This record gives sequence, C-alpha cells and structure tokens, in this order.
Amino acid sequence: DAKTTQPPSMDCAEGRAANLPCNHSTISGNEYVYWYRQIHSQGPQYIIHGLKNNETNEMASLIITEDRKSSTLILPHATLRDTAVYYCIVRVAGAQKLVFGQGTRLTINP
Amino acid sequence: DTEVTQTPKHLVMGMTNKKSLKCEQHMGHRAMYWYKQKAKKPPELMFVYSYEKLSINESVPSRFSPECPNSSLLNLHLHALQPEDSALYLCASSQVWGQSPLHFGNGTRLTVT
Repeated sequence: DAKTTQPPSMDCAEGRAANLPCNHSTISGNEYVYWYRQIHSQGPQYIIHGLKNNETNEMASLIITEDRKSSTLILPHATLRDTAVYYCIVRVAGAQKLVFGQGTRLTINP
Repeated sequence: DTEVTQTPKHLVMGMTNKKSLKCEQHMGHRAMYWYKQKAKKPPELMFVYSYEKLSINESVPSRFSPECPNSSLLNLHLHALQPEDSALYLCASSQVWGQSPLHFGNGTRLTVT
C-alpha cells in the first residue's frame, strides 16, 4: 500500500471548517483513500473513503485531487467533539491489511 | 456506543497470570481483527480471522493466543506476558476480509505488572 504523509497536528476554531490534508504521491490506480479518526480513549471510527471522485457523507467530505496524489478531509462545521487523531490510509481494494500511519492530531478550540 | 463490544475495559495482570480478552459483534461480519496500540502510537495489526479461520498472524509472540469460537466472538488469550505488552488492545470487524469499513470496539486497556 502507498505511504501517506500528514501534518502531526492542527488547530481549528469551533464552528469553522476543518481541512485536513494528506499526501499520497505514490498512490496507484486501484488504491482507495480511507479516513478514520480516533477520539481519546475510544477505538478508531471510520469516516469516509473514495477512489477518484469527491465524496460526502453525514460526517465529512473527501476531496481528492485530479492526479490523486493528495486529498483533503473536510469537517464542515467543527465541534469540540471532533477533537481526535485523524488517520489517512491508502489501501488496495481487497487488501489484506489496514495499516495506520501516524495521523494528524486535530484540536478544536472554543 | 459501538457495535463491537470488548470486555473487560481494563485489566491488570501479573506476568505469571493467564487471562483472556473478549470481543463480540452481532452485525453478521465474517472478518475479525486484533490490533495493539501503545500510547501515542497508531494501532498495529496483530491477527485477522476470516470465516472463523486465522488468516493473518503478524509474527505475534506465542504468549498471545487468538481464538474465534464462532462468527460473533473473538478471544485473545494471554499468558506469561511482559510489562512491555501493556497497551490498548482493539478488536475490529468487517463484513468480509479485505473490505472496509472496519468497525472497532473501544478496546481493553491492559497493564502487565
């Protein structure tokens, strides 16, 4: 699976959009981009995934660049409960393992 | 609340003890996973079960022994652990192996004294 690079930490004001970047410059054509988050003292939680097109669900939006070398997870109206470590993972469909990188620690400030 | 239930939430055990961690899901998922997470580090895969058969063992020491008695249950038997095995042990499940999303429990925080 391709390697991902994320900033170690970010801050965002409550009520604003939180934009979390992820670089995956070695991604191949059949690899999906997944996002999970882990709130303190909880297990990781699936957020969203995509291949080429932008995706949106009730939690977030995923914007993937046309060359697929990077993506951005957008939390449109961040709340204090969105404070967590966010993991960007690149994975081939049917891949045997889900491998976590270091992630971004997002802090939402009041 | 999570649909994957892990018990106990906390466990303290001595190096000579034998204990077990339990994980349960009733979503009809046929793949189940054990991950280990040390403080301030990402989760690391330990084992994968697919249709109740062990499919991946990430070179985990034999003092950790997984068991999948049926499609809803996953156990991790612990024996002769070391203090460095202290960590958060996470269970996860997915509809089938190799497909996301994985649904995680909230883990068992294990301390080995």
